[in-house]
Amino acid sequence: QSALTQPASVSGSPGQSITISCTGTSSDVGGHNHVSWYQQKPGKGPKVMIYDVTDRPSGVSNRFSGSKSGNTAFLTISGLQTEDEADYYCSSYTRSVTLVFVFGTGTKVTV
Amino acid sequence: DVQLVESGGGLVQPGGSLRLSCVASGFTFSDYWMHWVRQVPGEGLVWVSRIKSDGITTAYADSVKGRFTISRDNAKNTLYLQMNSLRVDDTAVYYCARDSDYKLDFWGQGTLVTVSS
Repeated sequence: QSALTQPASVSGSPGQSITISCTGTSSDVGGHNHVSWYQQKPGKGPKVMIYDVTDRPSGVSNRFSGSKSGNTAFLTISGLQTEDEADYYCSSYTRSVTLVFVFGTGTKVTV
Repeated sequence: DVQLVESGGGLVQPGGSLRLSCVASGFTFSDYWMHWVRQVPGEGLVWVSRIKSDGITTAYADSVKGRFTISRDNAKNTLYLQMNSLRVDDTAVYYCARDSDYKLDFWGQGTLVTVSS
């Protein structure tokens, strides 16, 4: 079973925008809209930032946005702030018989 | 407030067994699917298993299928992960997480499992 592919690291300056990609297959990312993004800071559990490709949970800044094209999902962080420095993981439900859920490889965001 | 508190981690020898628990509070536990996710320190998140709210329908990652069993006791608001035939590469922090409409919206703090001789 293969994890979704993300870049290992992305960096930006405060105020800039960055975009993280998450590439899967037609069996997961491309197959439906249950794609989520999670932020994880050192020593903490993950926090959902985006779900169903584009939706934001209440309390999450509108600087975070999601999109999808084909088998690739994207997380964009606008107006980058130092507090955004963290690891980010995408995830997707999958239509595969052998796997229900899969995470991305993770991206370290440095501000 | 929603809380998930894992316990049961520790040091175990290869081939041994361990049972993790996750006690839920602050929500109607029986209404939600639940997951176990693990993370080797310094590495990425890996999905392990999922159980639907009925406690009957389950799914596993291939790496743990046949060795791990997920279960729940809705009367006790508790999720379990029975881990048998443990291997060194099962060493990780294990998180339980609540599934709300296909997103994992609340996570526990994690419990560390170390498999070593």
